[in-house]
Amino acid sequence: GENVEQHPSTLSVQEGDSAVIKCTYSDSASNYFPWYKQELGKGPQLIIDIRSNVGEKKDQRIAVTLNKTAKHFSLHITETQPEDSAVYFCAASREDKLSFGAGTTVTVRA
Amino acid sequence: NAGVTQTPKFRVLKTGQSMTLLCAQDMNHEYMYWYRQDPGMGLRLIHYSVGEGTTAKGEVPDGYNVSRLKKQNFLLGLESAAPSQTSVYFCASSPLAGSVEQYFGPGTRLTVT
Repeated sequence: GENVEQHPSTLSVQEGDSAVIKCTYSDSASNYFPWYKQELGKGPQLIIDIRSNVGEKKDQRIAVTLNKTAKHFSLHITETQPEDSAVYFCAASREDKLSFGAGTTVTVRA
Repeated sequence: NAGVTQTPKFRVLKTGQSMTLLCAQDMNHEYMYWYRQDPGMGLRLIHYSVGEGTTAKGEVPDGYNVSRLKKQNFLLGLESAAPSQTSVYFCASSPLAGSVEQYFGPGTRLTVT
């Protein structure tokens, strides 16, 4: 099955700085890579996704990059704000199931 | 639209007791999923359903059973709870398989003593 590794497990950034979370996957047939944000006491919510035929995607302060050759994808958050504090999960999908990374707890310091 | 709802929000069980977690979605989605979330392990798929009347095993199915008698509901059962099943359980649904957003419920925190 698919194995997704996510680093770092915790990340503390100063407000206004950038945050980067990296993930690797094992199954070269995976073709969809979403990122979910989970706020305290809530379920995960999709914030951005990328498909295997695209190398980069951006949505306001959030961007995701994909390197299919290296089986590596990353989430970039620029100009971080206090409301960006949450747990972020990467995932990889092949056919009908998602495999999730272990999560990154992001704390934005005021 | 309520989206995905889960009942109950919290539950404490004693070892050996049984219970059923209910997931309901009002988005007419075909696919539904049950995950468990444990510290440092992300979300792991327990069982899933690709349509009414169907179920399939995920990554960690042992000790759980599921049923999808109605399209909008997906039930997760624990026949004989064990402390290892202490976790936060999330239900999710999606309109299609694979490369589409999954919509998550708010979770059920289960403690087995």
